[in-house]
Amino acid sequence: QQQVKQSPQSLIVQKGGISIINCAYENTAFDYFPWYQQFPGKGPALLIAIRPDVSEKKEGRFTISFNKSAKQFSLHIMDSQPGDSATYFCAASKAFQKLVFGTGTRLLVSP
Amino acid sequence: SAVISQKPSRDICQRGTSLTIQCQVDSQVTMMFWYRQQPGQSLTLIATANQGSEATYESGFVIDKFPISRPNLTFSTLTVSNMSPEDSSIYLCSVEGNSNTGELFFGEGSRLTVL
Repeated sequence: QQQVKQSPQSLIVQKGGISIINCAYENTAFDYFPWYQQFPGKGPALLIAIRPDVSEKKEGRFTISFNKSAKQFSLHIMDSQPGDSATYFCAASKAFQKLVFGTGTRLLVSP
Repeated sequence: SAVISQKPSRDICQRGTSLTIQCQVDSQVTMMFWYRQQPGQSLTLIATANQGSEATYESGFVIDKFPISRPNLTFSTLTVSNMSPEDSSIYLCSVEGNSNTGELFFGEGSRLTVL
């Protein structure tokens, strides 16, 4: 009930391509869905987040798509760049309490 | 935003010993969180530390194994006691940002290897 399932585990995308990472959740009480980006040797940092009252949120090249009925949300990185190479974690929580993280996706953007 | 400093950044420890990780925040915060990130796995919340009270531990984590101190609003420590190789992980300190956004700020982590 508390899990957030994330896929794929790893992803290789060519520079300029679109990176897509998917997450699914079970707990319908979740109302906050952030994505965190982690570079090697660093702590995770918030990239973008969405609440369930909207189906999409875009910030620059990063877009979250949210499907409430399917209990799924995804991160799209447009025009992927080598600097985007990092590990991405989706997460979910209810009322900003106790974030539950996905297992992470290691993204490599090849030059 | 919040700037979080953790010490040590990494350490190699012997089985059966204990290690204390320090977390210093550049501003006063009500709650501090300790996470564990095992290799190739998710971030798992160990406990929440409030100043002036006992830490609240998540299922699967106990105070005897992971004692936490929170002496003031900018500092906390996590001790990993009687370590075994299974405790080899990255331990991350985290604080909330603006409570209206739900954003968490993380330190760079402390990578522990237990031999």
